[in-house]
Amino acid sequence: GENVEQHPSTLSVQEGDSAVIKCTYSDSASNYFPWYKQELGKRPQLIIDIRSNVGEKKDQRIAVTLNKTAKHFSLHITETQPEDSAVYFCAASVTGGGADGLTFGKGTHLIIQP
Amino acid sequence: GAGVSQTPSNKVTEKGKYVELRCDPISGHTALYWYRQSLGQGPEFLIYFQGTGAADDSGLPNDRFFAVRPEGSVSTLKIQRTERGDSAVYLCASSLGQTPYNEQFFGPGTRLTVL
Repeated sequence: GENVEQHPSTLSVQEGDSAVIKCTYSDSASNYFPWYKQELGKRPQLIIDIRSNVGEKKDQRIAVTLNKTAKHFSLHITETQPEDSAVYFCAASVTGGGADGLTFGKGTHLIIQP
Repeated sequence: GAGVSQTPSNKVTEKGKYVELRCDPISGHTALYWYRQSLGQGPEFLIYFQGTGAADDSGLPNDRFFAVRPEGSVSTLKIQRTERGDSAVYLCASSLGQTPYNEQFFGPGTRLTVL
């Protein structure tokens, strides 16, 4: 089955700086790669996703890049703000929300230092 | 509209007991998923329903775990003979399904504690 590795487990950055979280996956059949943000005691919420036919996607301060050959994808957050502090999870699946479950990484605890 | 809801929010039980966890998906979502999240870990896939049928139950850890979705809407996750290792937050998610690449919307979870 699919295996998703995520690094780092904890990331501390100064407010206003950029943060990068990296994930690798094992199943070359995976085609959908979402990122979820989970605040303490809350449900995971989708912040951005990317499909395998796209190499990069941006949404304001958030971007995701995908390298299918190397089987890795990354989340980039620019101009970090205190409200970005949370645990971020990457995930992978073959078809996304249409036909199979997501395989998640172990998460990255992002800490924004004021 | 209303999001995914789960009941109860917390459940404390004793080892060996039977528990049922309920999930109400977003109206119109045909796909429903159950995940388990242990402390400090990412959600772990358990089972996926498309309509009333379990399309993929490969994540269920053993035969003590069972889930149903008899009318294609509400789903119940059932755990028999609970063990302390079953303690976790059980998350439910739903999506439009039928076509790929749809966002999975998560519920708030049920925190299960087995004493």
